[in-house]
Amino acid sequence: QVQLVQSGAEVKKPGASVKVSCKASGYTFTSYGISWVRQAPGQGLEWMGWISAYNGNTNYAQKLQGRVTMTTDTSTSTAYMELRSLRSDDTAVYYCARDETGFYGYFDLWGRGTLVTVSS
Amino acid sequence: QSVLTQPPSASGTPGQRVTISCSGSSSNIGSNYVYWYQQLPGTAPKLLIYRNNQRPSGVPDRFSGSKSGTSASLAISGLRSEDEADYYCAAWDDSLSGPLFGGGTKLTVL
Repeated sequence: QVQLVQSGAEVKKPGASVKVSCKASGYTFTSYGISWVRQAPGQGLEWMGWISAYNGNTNYAQKLQGRVTMTTDTSTSTAYMELRSLRSDDTAVYYCARDETGFYGYFDLWGRGTLVTVSS
Repeated sequence: QSVLTQPPSASGTPGQRVTISCSGSSSNIGSNYVYWYQQLPGTAPKLLIYRNNQRPSGVPDRFSGSKSGTSASLAISGLRSEDEADYYCAAWDDSLSGPLFGGGTKLTVL
């Protein structure tokens, strides 16, 4: 079954870091990349960045440059997104999505999402 | 504030045809493909239309996409109650070197 399975919900304090995982199955992991998209409560979708599972190349949204790091582990077909220096407005559901090229905005498979709550 | 502009809401009765617009600029819709995503309540988004007007397998032909210049539209014909969802357009933006999403349109089936 082709799917992306994400890690569970997290609660973090302001200033902390969070690392969300996304395990792929049912397809050749290194033939695609992974984009991360977040959605604040009651808000729209925001693209955070993309990583190639083939060679690790990344493209981060300008807004998050310096605070976000995306990595992959090809041995376990898992992608990771780490966000540092968390603020209250980082509270959101974080989705991973399969994105072959990192261009276009073509997300053909999505994980169920991981809720990250930032609160003191 | 989204650079791709969608109406915040749309509505229709069962069986009707509704359209949702998405307005952008020359750096995004005007020069790149448009994608549409459907987000049912409490679920992850799902790809509905790719490359302006292509449907992934499994998406009913009641859903269609079009693009003209710097604008795009999603049309839903034969509206059903299960179409009640949020709909987002997306396109690559050459200036930002990343994809942009519209603000989303909440479709209500009356």
